[in-house]
Amino acid sequence: EAGVAQSPRYKIIEKRQSVAFWCNPISGHATLYWYQQILGQGPKLLIQFQNNGVVDDSQLPKDRFSAERLKGVDSTLKIQPAKLEDSAVYLCASSLPQGLGFSYNEQFFGPGTRLTVL
Amino acid sequence: LAKTTQPISMDSYEGQEVNITCSHNNIATNDYITWYQQFPSQGPRFIIQGYKTKVTNEVASLFIPADRKSSTLSLPRVSLSDTAVYYCLVGDNPLHNSNSGYALNFGKGTSLLVTP
Repeated sequence: EAGVAQSPRYKIIEKRQSVAFWCNPISGHATLYWYQQILGQGPKLLIQFQNNGVVDDSQLPKDRFSAERLKGVDSTLKIQPAKLEDSAVYLCASSLPQGLGFSYNEQFFGPGTRLTVL
Repeated sequence: LAKTTQPISMDSYEGQEVNITCSHNNIATNDYITWYQQFPSQGPRFIIQGYKTKVTNEVASLFIPADRKSSTLSLPRVSLSDTAVYYCLVGDNPLHNSNSGYALNFGKGTSLLVTP
């Protein structure tokens, strides 16, 4: 079974530029998450989708971050304009609906995109 | 979501058993206890999950006392490749919606270093 795919793996941009990340979840996983992980910290949720609808975006800085999941499969996360403090790893994860997975709310993470803002 | 407390770092030698304890005094009745492992330059990976007593799989064991206010992840005979950050998470679906997953609340985790 293929895992969660993310691209690009690395991105370096200057502040005030824009950037986009792409995620392809595991086939059949209805729930998709974007997390931000700053160096030395655990991942922090940015946004959660259930199919193509947003479940939780309370921690998404909406003045500069946006995300979409058209057709309920792939997702893109965009930052415009980027700030220095956006330097982090952006992780995408997906999970099955409750009760269908082997473990409760087991999430499968992609390798992440490491963003450096100069 | 219940807050968790775990050691910032631990060191071990190869072949030893490692026990990482997590404190979660405010755990709720419906909360599960889950542990994830994260290697450098990779996303976290699910290790084990439990509700009470003991759970064992091919990777680790999870011990949960009767009051569920703490839990211990046990890694038998660690190797160099077990060097990673281990996260203890406690929570339940706040929407109680069986059709939707819910976000994981990661802390800083425990950085385990295994040396020869």
